[in-house]
Amino acid sequence: EAGVAQSPRYKIIEKRQSVAFWCNPISGHATLYWYQQILGQGPKLLIQFQNNGVVDDSQLPKDRFSAERLKGVDSTLKIQPAKLEDSAVYLCASSLEPSSGNTIYFGEGSWLTVV
Amino acid sequence: AQSVSQHNHHVILSEAASLELGCNYSYGGTVNLFWYVQYPGQHLQLLLKYFSGDPLVKGIKGFEAEFIKSKFSFNLRKPSVQWSDTAEYFCAVRGDSSYKLIFGSGTRLLVRP
Repeated sequence: EAGVAQSPRYKIIEKRQSVAFWCNPISGHATLYWYQQILGQGPKLLIQFQNNGVVDDSQLPKDRFSAERLKGVDSTLKIQPAKLEDSAVYLCASSLEPSSGNTIYFGEGSWLTVV
Repeated sequence: AQSVSQHNHHVILSEAASLELGCNYSYGGTVNLFWYVQYPGQHLQLLLKYFSGDPLVKGIKGFEAEFIKSKFSFNLRKPSVQWSDTAEYFCAVRGDSSYKLIFGSGTRLLVRP
């Protein structure tokens, strides 16, 4: 079974530039998550999709971050303009319906360095 | 709101030593509890999970965890660690209302050969 795919794996940009990350979840997984993991910290949930609708985006900095999942499958996360503190690993994860019995699977992450 | 605390940020052990990593959570309702592991350069992988039933759960690679509801704890244990267990370990909790998976800050384990 193919896992959660993410690209690019690594990105270095200057502050105030923009960047986009792409995620392809495991086939059949209706729920998709984007997490931000800053060095030395645990992953923090940015946004959760159920199919193509947003379930939770309470911790997404909406002035600069946006995410979409137009067809309920792939998703993109965009940062514009980037700040130094956005340097982190951006993790995409997916699961079946968000009931108590389903495990969340993570991709390898997209490493962002803002200089 | 749910939260997770991992008290040990760095742990250094010699091979064959026993391991216990602490995890405490805060949530008023029914929870699902998880331990994820992240080996150097790899993605997060599920180590074990607790949903219901027997509070002592066994995971992969000889790891186990015990859910103690009265203490809001879900500590991870392994009787004898190996060098290959060197990794970062994350405890996570998901509440039954929002299904948000919230992570602790992680514990970095270094096992010396």
